[in-house]
Amino acid sequence: TQLLEQSPQFLSIQEGENLTVYCNSSSVFSSLQWYRQEPGEGPVLLVTVVTGGEVKKLKRLTFQFGDARKDSSLHITAAQPGDTGLYLCAGVKGYQKVTFGTGTKLQVIP
Amino acid sequence: NAGVTQTPKFQVLKTGQSMTLQCAQDMNHEYMSWYRQDPGMGLRLIHYSVGAGITDQGEVPNGYNVSRSTTEDFPLRLLSAAPSQTSVYFCASSNRDRGYEQYFGPGTRLTVT
Repeated sequence: TQLLEQSPQFLSIQEGENLTVYCNSSSVFSSLQWYRQEPGEGPVLLVTVVTGGEVKKLKRLTFQFGDARKDSSLHITAAQPGDTGLYLCAGVKGYQKVTFGTGTKLQVIP
Repeated sequence: NAGVTQTPKFQVLKTGQSMTLQCAQDMNHEYMSWYRQDPGMGLRLIHYSVGAGITDQGEVPNGYNVSRSTTEDFPLRLLSAAPSQTSVYFCASSNRDRGYEQYFGPGTRLTVT
Protein backbone atom coordinates (compact mmCIF):
# COMPACT_ATOMS: atom_id res chain seq x y z
CA THR A 1 0.00 0.00 0.00
CA GLN A 2 1.46 3.33 -1.09
CA LEU A 3 0.83 5.86 1.66
CA LEU A 4 2.26 8.87 -0.15
CA GLU A 5 1.03 9.93 -3.56
CA GLN A 6 2.92 12.52 -5.56
CA SER A 7 1.58 14.54 -8.46
CA PRO A 8 2.27 15.05 -11.19
CA GLN A 9 4.32 11.97 -12.03
CA PHE A 10 6.07 13.70 -14.92
CA LEU A 11 6.63 17.36 -15.68
CA SER A 12 8.42 18.85 -18.67
CA ILE A 13 8.69 22.63 -18.66
CA GLN A 14 10.66 25.44 -20.24
CA GLU A 15 13.43 27.21 -18.39
CA GLY A 16 12.05 30.16 -16.42
CA GLU A 17 8.62 28.66 -15.74
CA ASN A 18 7.21 28.04 -12.27
CA LEU A 19 5.93 24.69 -11.04
CA THR A 20 4.44 22.97 -8.01
CA VAL A 21 4.75 19.34 -6.96
CA TYR A 22 2.31 17.84 -4.48
CA CYS A 23 2.74 15.08 -1.93
CA ASN A 24 -0.49 13.78 -0.37
CA SER A 25 -1.41 11.19 2.21
CA SER A 26 -4.26 10.18 4.49
CA SER A 27 -1.73 9.58 7.29
CA VAL A 28 -0.31 12.10 9.74
CA PHE A 29 3.48 12.36 9.79
CA SER A 30 5.78 13.75 12.46
CA SER A 31 7.89 15.31 9.70
CA LEU A 32 8.22 15.29 5.95
CA GLN A 33 11.41 15.21 3.91
CA TRP A 34 12.07 16.18 0.29
CA TYR A 35 14.86 14.62 -1.76
CA ARG A 36 16.20 15.14 -5.27
CA GLN A 37 17.74 12.29 -7.22
CA GLU A 38 19.82 12.62 -10.37
CA PRO A 39 20.29 9.73 -12.84
CA GLY A 40 22.72 7.08 -11.60
CA GLU A 41 22.91 8.51 -8.10
CA GLY A 42 21.21 8.12 -4.74
CA PRO A 43 18.63 10.64 -3.49
CA VAL A 44 19.99 13.70 -1.68
CA LEU A 45 18.05 15.43 1.07
CA LEU A 46 16.83 18.95 0.24
CA VAL A 47 14.82 19.87 3.31
CA THR A 48 12.82 18.57 6.29
CA VAL A 49 9.61 20.23 7.45
CA VAL A 50 8.39 19.46 10.93
CA THR A 51 5.62 21.83 12.07
CA GLY A 52 2.15 21.93 10.52
CA GLY A 53 1.94 24.96 8.23
CA GLU A 54 5.71 25.37 8.16
CA VAL A 55 7.25 27.01 5.09
CA LYS A 56 10.94 26.62 4.24
CA LYS A 57 12.81 28.27 1.40
CA LEU A 58 15.92 27.00 -0.30
CA LYS A 59 16.88 29.63 -2.92
CA ARG A 60 14.19 29.24 -5.63
CA LEU A 61 12.56 26.24 -3.93
CA THR A 62 9.74 26.71 -1.41
CA PHE A 63 8.51 23.80 0.69
CA GLN A 64 5.30 23.80 2.71
CA PHE A 65 3.96 21.29 5.22
CA GLY A 66 0.17 21.08 5.44
CA ASP A 67 -1.55 22.31 8.59
CA ALA A 68 -2.69 18.77 9.42
CA ARG A 69 0.78 17.31 8.64
CA LYS A 70 -0.69 14.98 6.00
CA ASP A 71 0.53 16.70 2.86
CA SER A 72 3.27 18.90 1.48
CA SER A 73 4.14 20.90 -1.61
CA LEU A 74 7.30 21.94 -3.38
CA HIS A 75 7.20 25.10 -5.50
CA ILE A 76 10.05 26.01 -7.83
CA THR A 77 10.27 29.56 -9.13
CA ALA A 78 11.96 30.28 -12.48
CA ALA A 79 13.08 26.69 -13.06
CA GLN A 80 16.62 26.10 -14.32
CA PRO A 81 18.01 23.08 -16.25
CA GLY A 82 19.96 22.23 -13.08
CA ASP A 83 16.63 21.56 -11.34
CA THR A 84 16.08 18.53 -13.59
CA GLY A 85 15.76 15.32 -11.61
CA LEU A 86 13.44 13.03 -9.67
CA TYR A 87 11.84 14.67 -6.64
CA LEU A 88 10.80 12.38 -3.80
CA CYS A 89 8.87 13.18 -0.67
CA ALA A 90 9.19 10.97 2.39
CA GLY A 91 6.97 10.92 5.47
CA VAL A 92 8.42 10.10 8.87
CA LYS A 93 6.28 8.49 11.57
CA GLY A 94 9.08 8.12 14.06
CA TYR A 95 11.39 5.26 14.93
CA GLN A 96 12.80 4.93 11.45
CA LYS A 97 9.37 4.55 9.79
CA VAL A 98 10.19 6.50 6.65
CA THR A 99 7.83 6.03 3.71
CA PHE A 100 8.72 7.40 0.29
CA GLY A 101 6.33 8.83 -2.27
CA THR A 102 6.05 7.66 -5.86
CA GLY A 103 8.23 10.48 -7.19
CA THR A 104 7.92 13.34 -9.67
CA LYS A 105 10.26 13.36 -12.65
CA LEU A 106 11.04 16.94 -13.67
CA GLN A 107 12.67 17.97 -16.93
CA VAL A 108 13.58 21.62 -17.46
CA ILE A 109 14.26 22.41 -21.11
CA PRO A 110 16.77 25.21 -21.83
CA ASN B 1 34.18 11.19 5.26
CA ALA B 2 33.16 8.79 2.49
CA GLY B 3 29.53 8.77 3.71
CA VAL B 4 27.67 5.67 2.53
CA THR B 5 29.47 3.37 0.12
CA GLN B 6 28.00 0.47 -1.85
CA THR B 7 29.57 -2.28 -3.93
CA PRO B 8 29.25 -3.43 -6.63
CA LYS B 9 27.87 -0.63 -8.84
CA PHE B 10 26.47 -3.10 -11.39
CA GLN B 11 25.75 -6.83 -11.24
CA VAL B 12 24.19 -9.41 -13.55
CA LEU B 13 23.00 -12.68 -12.05
CA LYS B 14 21.36 -15.78 -13.42
CA THR B 15 18.13 -17.01 -11.85
CA GLY B 16 18.91 -19.07 -8.76
CA GLN B 17 22.31 -17.55 -8.05
CA SER B 18 23.03 -15.88 -4.71
CA MET B 19 25.05 -12.80 -3.95
CA THR B 20 25.71 -10.16 -1.31
CA LEU B 21 25.42 -6.41 -1.82
CA GLN B 22 27.81 -4.56 0.43
CA CYS B 23 27.05 -1.32 2.29
CA ALA B 24 29.20 0.65 4.71
CA GLN B 25 28.89 4.03 6.43
CA ASP B 26 31.44 6.06 8.35
CA MET B 27 29.10 8.57 10.03
CA ASN B 28 28.44 6.46 13.15
CA HIS B 29 24.72 6.41 12.32
CA GLU B 30 22.48 4.13 14.39
CA TYR B 31 20.04 3.28 11.64
CA MET B 32 20.70 1.64 8.29
CA SER B 33 18.22 0.59 5.62
CA TRP B 34 18.01 -1.15 2.29
CA TYR B 35 15.59 0.09 -0.38
CA ARG B 36 14.80 -1.03 -3.87
CA GLN B 37 13.73 1.41 -6.57
CA ASP B 38 11.54 0.37 -9.46
CA PRO B 39 9.94 2.62 -12.12
CA GLY B 40 6.75 4.23 -10.83
CA MET B 41 7.13 2.64 -7.39
CA GLY B 42 9.35 5.11 -5.58
CA LEU B 43 11.63 3.62 -2.94
CA ARG B 44 10.41 0.56 -1.05
CA LEU B 45 11.98 -0.55 2.21
CA ILE B 46 13.39 -4.10 2.22
CA HIS B 47 15.05 -4.42 5.64
CA TYR B 48 16.35 -2.03 8.23
CA SER B 49 18.51 -2.04 11.35
CA VAL B 50 18.33 0.14 14.46
CA GLY B 51 21.77 -0.86 15.69
CA ALA B 52 24.38 -3.62 15.67
CA GLY B 53 22.72 -6.99 16.13
CA ILE B 54 19.17 -5.68 15.54
CA THR B 55 17.35 -5.96 12.23
CA ASP B 56 13.73 -5.93 11.12
CA GLN B 57 11.68 -6.41 7.97
CA GLY B 58 10.40 -3.61 5.82
CA GLU B 59 7.71 -3.55 3.17
CA VAL B 60 9.22 -6.06 0.71
CA PRO B 61 11.55 -8.46 2.62
CA ASN B 62 10.90 -11.75 0.82
CA GLY B 63 13.97 -13.24 -0.87
CA TYR B 64 16.43 -11.05 1.06
CA ASN B 65 18.44 -11.47 4.26
CA VAL B 66 20.40 -8.96 6.29
CA SER B 67 22.68 -8.90 9.30
CA ARG B 68 24.38 -6.11 11.22
CA SER B 69 27.43 -7.28 13.12
CA THR B 70 28.99 -3.79 13.32
CA THR B 71 27.67 -0.21 13.30
CA GLU B 72 29.41 0.44 9.99
CA ASP B 73 28.34 -2.49 7.80
CA PHE B 74 24.94 -3.69 6.62
CA PRO B 75 25.14 -6.30 3.83
CA LEU B 76 22.08 -7.45 1.87
CA ARG B 77 21.97 -11.07 0.73
CA LEU B 78 19.93 -12.37 -2.16
CA LEU B 79 19.37 -16.04 -1.40
CA SER B 80 18.19 -17.33 -4.79
CA ALA B 81 17.90 -14.54 -7.36
CA ALA B 82 14.71 -14.18 -9.38
CA PRO B 83 13.93 -11.89 -12.35
CA SER B 84 11.50 -9.97 -10.08
CA GLN B 85 14.54 -8.83 -8.09
CA THR B 86 15.88 -6.88 -11.05
CA SER B 87 16.03 -3.38 -9.62
CA VAL B 88 18.26 -0.61 -8.32
CA TYR B 89 19.20 -1.13 -4.68
CA PHE B 90 20.05 1.71 -2.32
CA CYS B 91 21.53 1.56 1.14
CA ALA B 92 20.90 4.47 3.49
CA SER B 93 21.89 5.47 7.00
CA SER B 94 20.32 7.91 9.43
CA ASN B 95 20.24 9.08 13.01
CA ARG B 96 17.39 9.92 15.35
CA ASP B 97 19.14 13.20 16.26
CA ARG B 98 18.83 14.31 12.64
CA GLY B 99 15.16 13.36 12.39
CA TYR B 100 15.90 10.19 10.43
CA GLU B 101 17.17 12.13 7.42
CA GLN B 102 18.43 9.48 5.03
CA TYR B 103 21.95 9.53 3.62
CA PHE B 104 22.03 7.31 0.54
CA GLY B 105 24.77 5.38 -1.17
CA PRO B 106 25.25 5.54 -4.97
CA GLY B 107 23.19 2.39 -5.59
CA THR B 108 23.68 -1.04 -7.14
CA ARG B 109 21.96 -1.82 -10.42
CA LEU B 110 21.08 -5.52 -10.42
CA THR B 111 19.81 -7.49 -13.40
CA VAL B 112 18.61 -11.07 -12.99
CA THR B 113 18.26 -13.05 -16.21
